[in-house]
Amino acid sequence: DIQLTQSPSFLSASVGDRVTITCRASQGISSYFAWYQQKPGKTPKLLIYAASTLQSGVPSRFSGSGSGTEFTLTISSLQPEDFATYYCQQLHGYPLTFGGGTKVEVK
Amino acid sequence: QLQLQESGPGLVKPSETLTLTCTVSGASISSNSYYWGWIRQPPGKGLEWIGSIYHSGSIYYSSSLKSRVTISLDTSKNQFSLKLSSVTAADTAVYYCARQVRGGGTCYDYWGQGTLLTVSS
Repeated sequence: DIQLTQSPSFLSASVGDRVTITCRASQGISSYFAWYQQKPGKTPKLLIYAASTLQSGVPSRFSGSGSGTEFTLTISSLQPEDFATYYCQQLHGYPLTFGGGTKVEVK
Repeated sequence: QLQLQESGPGLVKPSETLTLTCTVSGASISSNSYYWGWIRQPPGKGLEWIGSIYHSGSIYYSSSLKSRVTISLDTSKNQFSLKLSSVTAADTAVYYCARQVRGGGTCYDYWGQGTLLTVSS
């Protein structure tokens, strides 16, 4: 199975901060990679697919980059509604896998 | 507007088999463009992929669950289902069904609201 190591697990930040979350794959996965946001008690929401393509309706402060084994989610200026948990996912090969999650908290 | 809705018993006893159903509206599960999948999330923990199915019959399962899980389609009802046998307390989780886009932009773009399944005697 392809393992995804997401870091950090927790992140404290303030409104307006630039935030970066990293996900490393145990083997190359090209760009078959997605990021999701989940708020407490809510369904995960797709933010980015194909490593860097912004899902329709997602604010442009979110961006994704990377290919192969290292991927990054960046929030250019953190907004109050962005405090949430973020998950990465590889869709290169079955079984599909998720990263462990990064909780972005108020500093 | 695409909607996915999970349904299930809510409470299952240890060692029993749970069955969950996802009813899809606004799209056909026979579409060539999508897989249909199940993901779960134990309370306070992260997301765990369970499996995906394509209308042609291709099915893929999690390595850790494949001995206990069966996913199937009912195209006449536009539904797909999850069966998990020999459940234990570790299977207590919110279970989500979701649509998986095929191809280069593959991802889970639509999710159901999730259904909490508790395993307890």
